[in-house]
Amino acid sequence: AQTVTQSQPEMSVQEAETVTLSCTYDTSESDYYLFWYKQPPSRQMILVIRQEAYKQQNATENRFSVNFQKAAKSFSLKISDSQLGDAAMYFCAYRRHMNYGGSQGNLIFGKGTKLSVKP
Amino acid sequence: SQTIHQWPATLVQPVGSPLSLECTVEGTSNPNLYWYRQAAGRGLQLLFYSVGIGQISSEVPQNLSASRPQDRQFILSSKKLLLSDSGFYLCAWSVVFRGPGQEKLFFGSGTQLSVL
Repeated sequence: AQTVTQSQPEMSVQEAETVTLSCTYDTSESDYYLFWYKQPPSRQMILVIRQEAYKQQNATENRFSVNFQKAAKSFSLKISDSQLGDAAMYFCAYRRHMNYGGSQGNLIFGKGTKLSVKP
Repeated sequence: SQTIHQWPATLVQPVGSPLSLECTVEGTSNPNLYWYRQAAGRGLQLLFYSVGIGQISSEVPQNLSASRPQDRQFILSSKKLLLSDSGFYLCAWSVVFRGPGQEKLFFGSGTQLSVL
């Protein structure tokens, strides 16, 4: 079975600085998808960034980028120029490739990292 | 544009009482629909998903059930709530945009259920 581990329960960053959130996962499958979701105090889950395992190039979305190390099964999120609105819980998630069956929405989540942004 | 509505936002129910949480999606047709639960300090766990009217798949055995009476309506129910049913419940929908594996998952705002 696949597992996702986020080893940092809480992180803090100064506004305008850069912070990296760690995520490791365990799987025996070669094709899969990885995600970072943000959950602000409103508790709605918001997709931040997505990575397809067969793509070697790291995904980027504006100030958000990932460091995907497939061999090490590591998927860290880097937030540049941190803003107060970035404060939230961040969840790393894994989803099996459709070739392995199962629901498209069956994401396996880590326990999350609470990010605080200091003004 | 597509929107997802989930209600109520908070709910306090006594043990043994019934439950009905409703989720509706607007602006899309034939979406895949999902119910997740988030226990305190944990990530989300998929409870049910549906790929069409009347089609429900359960990911974990539990005291809950789900139904999809209409294309864009997904209901989470229980006949008798347990204390362990407390948690934050999120409805979500997805649709394939550009081809297999290119779907996106959109979440509702959630319901905080407290069973006392």
